[in-house]
Amino acid sequence: NAGVMQNPRHLVRRRGQEARLRCSPMKGHSHVYWYRQLPEEGLKFMVYLQKENIIDESGMPKERFSAEFPKEGPSILRIQQVVRGDSAAYFCASSPDSVGFLLGSNQPQHFGDGTRLSIL
Amino acid sequence: AQSVTQLGSHVSVSEGALVLLRCNYSSSVPPYLFWYVQYPNQGLQLLLKYTSAATLVKGINGFEAEFKKSETSFHLTKPSAHMSDAAEYFCAVSAAGTASKLTFGTGTRLQVTL
Repeated sequence: NAGVMQNPRHLVRRRGQEARLRCSPMKGHSHVYWYRQLPEEGLKFMVYLQKENIIDESGMPKERFSAEFPKEGPSILRIQQVVRGDSAAYFCASSPDSVGFLLGSNQPQHFGDGTRLSIL
Repeated sequence: AQSVTQLGSHVSVSEGALVLLRCNYSSSVPPYLFWYVQYPNQGLQLLLKYTSAATLVKGINGFEAEFKKSETSFHLTKPSAHMSDAAEYFCAVSAAGTASKLTFGTGTRLQVTL
């Protein structure tokens, strides 16, 4: 049972370019979360999505950042016109639906290994 | 609104000694509480979780944590540290229920010395 898959593991962009980070949730998981981890800090929530819907984007910067989770394919976190301050590790997590969790799914949110984004 | 405070950004213990990592939370609704461990260049692995059942929760690798509502605490302990326990540890809170975002503390880096 494959875990949460994130790619690429490392991404280097120059200022002003676009960055696309991909996340494939665990099989059977319908909820996806994106978190950002700045150096020496904890993870900060960015956005929570279900298939074709953004449920909570309260942690997303107002500009340049967007996320989607289409009916088919991985979830995408997109950062336009990147700046040096976007350098961070971006983690995706997935979880089962409400019923699955209440039935005792062992890990409410499974995390991927992250994408390390570096801005030159 | 929810928040987590982890006291001590760095903790150092000798191999075989007790590990105690502190976590205090604030939540306006009944909380679910979690401890995660992160090894270098990896994602987060769940150690244990509290979801309103038993207040003493046992997790993987010999770790356990006790939920104390009166103290709003969820400290992580392990009786005897092992070198392989050296990592970053994060406490997190979410609203009871499910499919809810996690709010993390700033983490505690555990160092284990010989």
